Parts: sequence; structure tokens; C-alpha cells
Amino acid sequence: NAGVTQTPKFRILKIGQSMTLQCAQDMNHNYMYWYRQDPGMGLKLIYYSVGAGITDKGEVPNGYNVSRSTTEDFPLRLELAAPSQTSVYFCATELAGLSEQFFGPGTRLTVL
Amino acid sequence: AQTVTQSQPEMSVQEAETVTLSCTYDTSENNYYLFWYKQPPSRQMILVIRQEAYKQQNATENRFSVNFQKAAKSFSLKISDSQLGDTAMYFCAFMKEDDKIIFGKGTRLHILP
Repeated sequence: NAGVTQTPKFRILKIGQSMTLQCAQDMNHNYMYWYRQDPGMGLKLIYYSVGAGITDKGEVPNGYNVSRSTTEDFPLRLELAAPSQTSVYFCATELAGLSEQFFGPGTRLTVL
Repeated sequence: AQTVTQSQPEMSVQEAETVTLSCTYDTSENNYYLFWYKQPPSRQMILVIRQEAYKQQNATENRFSVNFQKAAKSFSLKISDSQLGDTAMYFCAFMKEDDKIIFGKGTRLHILP
């Protein structure tokens, strides 16, 4: 099993460009999360989903959008990239009731 | 709002020594979970240890143990017989019953040969 996979691993964007960060899991976990980690800081929750078709905002949702059409995939969309979105993005999954999150390897995004 | 505070931005210890990382949190919840995550230079977030708030017994995982003081809202991590591979950022984290995690800012730990 691959667990939680994220693509791409690295990306450089110009201001105003858009992109989608991909997250996929093969663990059949119903909960999925997107976090960002700024330099020297802990992770902050952007969006989360408790199941296909259901998404909710986290602590820092501005500038991002998500969708959850399947259990396996939870893409994160940046529509108009800004330098403030330069960060490392982590996707995580959780099987409801176990209260333990499993993290992907992260995507390092730089906006210039 | 819940907060997690790690008061030690950086620490260094000699290999084989014991080191304790501090964490305090603030919440009005009674049921919650606490975690320590390790983030090595590879960036991967690795769960080190977890503690359920309703359990009085401190969690232990091999060389890693916690000192959970619920009344004081303190959750420190002790690493015994530290190894070079323990060098990493360590994040204390708090999870409410709604499964949202709040992370501290981290402690960068260096194990010196």
C-alpha cells in the first residue's frame, strides 16, 4: 500500500498563476486534511473533509479551494497564487474514531 | 480557543543522554488527545507517541515517554538514551473530539555525537 501520496514534491509558481496540489490515499480513510507549514512554524489546518462530498474550512482557508468527489482523492486548488502562499503543504488522513492522522510527504511550493 | 505552547525553540544534547521537551496547552475540553510528532530533515511527519486525556497512565513507546499532567495542562516528552537519528523538529499537538489538530511551533532538537 502506498499510504498517502502527494504530487508534485516541489513547485515554483509566478504570482497570479493557479495550480492544484494532489493528494491520494489507498487506506480507505474517510477523513482527509490539508495543512500548511510556514518556515519555523507548526502546521495550520487549511481545509478538511469527513467524507466524499463534504468539505469544511479550517484555520487558514483564504486563497484555497478543495473538493472531495471520491474517498481516495482530496485536491487543493490555488487560484491566484500569492507570495504569502509560499509554504510546505501536507495532506493527512484519518480513519474516523481512531484519532490518529497519517501524513503525506509534503509539497514544497514557492510563489515568486 | 485551544493553544499549544512549546517554550524551547531549540535544544542540544549529547548522544546517549536523556532530554525532555516541554509542552503546555490551553483548553476547556475534558476529552481530547495529545501527540508528539517528529519531523526529520526529510520533512515527513512521524507520530512518536499519543496520549488520551482520559487515561491517567503516561504513554510509553520504547525510549520515548510522556509526563502528562492534566490539571496543569502539561505534556512533556522524554527521550532516553538519545540517538543521532533523534535529531529532528518535534511538534506537540492537541486534538479535540472533532478531530482537528492544533500544533505547537516546534522544538528543534540536535543530538550531538
